[in-house]
Amino acid sequence: DVQMTQSPSSLSASVGDRVTITCRASQHISNYLNWYQQKPGQVPKLLIYGASTLQSGVPSRFSGSPSGTEFTLTISSLQPEDFATYYCQQTYSGPRTFGQGTRVEIK
Amino acid sequence: VQLVESGGGVVPPGGSLRLSCAASGFTFDDYAINWVRQAPGRGLEFVSLISADGISAHYSDSVKGRFTISRDNSKNSLYLQMSGLRTEDTALYYCAKTGSYNSFDVWGQGTMVTVSS
Repeated sequence: DVQMTQSPSSLSASVGDRVTITCRASQHISNYLNWYQQKPGQVPKLLIYGASTLQSGVPSRFSGSPSGTEFTLTISSLQPEDFATYYCQQTYSGPRTFGQGTRVEIK
Repeated sequence: VQLVESGGGVVPPGGSLRLSCAASGFTFDDYAINWVRQAPGRGLEFVSLISADGISAHYSDSVKGRFTISRDNSKNSLYLQMSGLRTEDTALYYCAKTGSYNSFDVWGQGTMVTVSS
């Protein structure tokens, strides 16, 4: 099975900061990498699929980029509504494994 | 497009439970569907998926041999039969529709399963 290693597990940032979260796959997954946002008490929301395609309605300050088996989620200018937990997920093969999550907190 | 889970509850260790997921607003038999769970205060964990035609399925190692996923396309419904339940199966169980790049693009609100004596 493909293992996903996500880092950092948490970070503190201020409104307006540029934030980067990284996810590494244990083997080749092509671009079958997705990013989700989950706020406390809410259902997870798909942000990016195929490593870099924004889901409809997602603000353009979110972006994703692949580099081999390493994938990055970037928030170009953090907004108050972006404080949440973010998960990566591979959907290339076998069980659709998630990363451990990154909690983005207010500094 | 909507998914609504049901069937959760409190069950003793070793017990069984059957979860259901009712779909509406899309052509159900065109899409693979997934189960994902989230233990209290923990991250997302993939549980199982079933192909659009119901022929193939995948399971996480943690539930393989104990859980069985199935679907009834005539009823637009997905199921998860859980047996041999353990305390570590306590979680909120979501069903999710498969989208582009096999992403999970639509999620239900979840149904809570508590395994406790």
